Amino acid sequence: AQRVTQPEKLLSVFKGAPVELKCNYSYSGSPELFWYVQYSRQRLQLLLRHISRESIKGFTADLNKGETSFHLKKPFAQEEDSAMYYCALGQKTSGSRLTFGEGTQLTVNP
Amino acid sequence: DTAVSQTPKYLVTQMGNDKSIKCEQNLGHDTMYWYKQDSKKFLKIMFSYNNKELIINETVPNRFSPKSPDKAHLNLHINSLELGDSAVYFCASSQSGVGEQFFGPGTRLTVL
Repeated sequence: AQRVTQPEKLLSVFKGAPVELKCNYSYSGSPELFWYVQYSRQRLQLLLRHISRESIKGFTADLNKGETSFHLKKPFAQEEDSAMYYCALGQKTSGSRLTFGEGTQLTVNP
Repeated sequence: DTAVSQTPKYLVTQMGNDKSIKCEQNLGHDTMYWYKQDSKKFLKIMFSYNNKELIINETVPNRFSPKSPDKAHLNLHINSLELGDSAVYFCASSQSGVGEQFFGPGTRLTVL
């Protein structure tokens, strides 16, 4: 069965510090992975998807199939990065189902 | 020109009542979803419809009944509301075969 694990529920860093949000997955097929962000009381928005390999708002994520990980990184965190971050695993079968991790609340302190 | 919209944004009601939440998308997608986000911010899929056909039906009490009148709309009706139903409900849509989903603003349901 597919599963997404985000081991840190809360992560706090200072402005300008590097940040890494961890995500591990288990899936027997070929994974399609995403990072979604939810700013306070707003809708979820797509931040990154692994197949596009682009950098959004300074964030990057690399799919490591050997370690079954898709960690989200940013070299210099900004206060406006404070939000809830969800890692999600997509399955093209079963109606493009997304399985979400439990989320990591990132706080960037001034 | 909001892509995925939900009404109402807030819903406060008494236990035992019946309520509905509506969702509409104007992206031309063929798949729509309902998610529940609990107080711990855990996001769990409830239902998914593809071209008006139910394709995902997770373990959800049968007090919850989704209805899709057409591809652009997916409504959620909840009977006999319970305290534990209090949560934020998100609607989403996607094009089948493409993983990215677009989310609505959420409906914050509070059951008193």
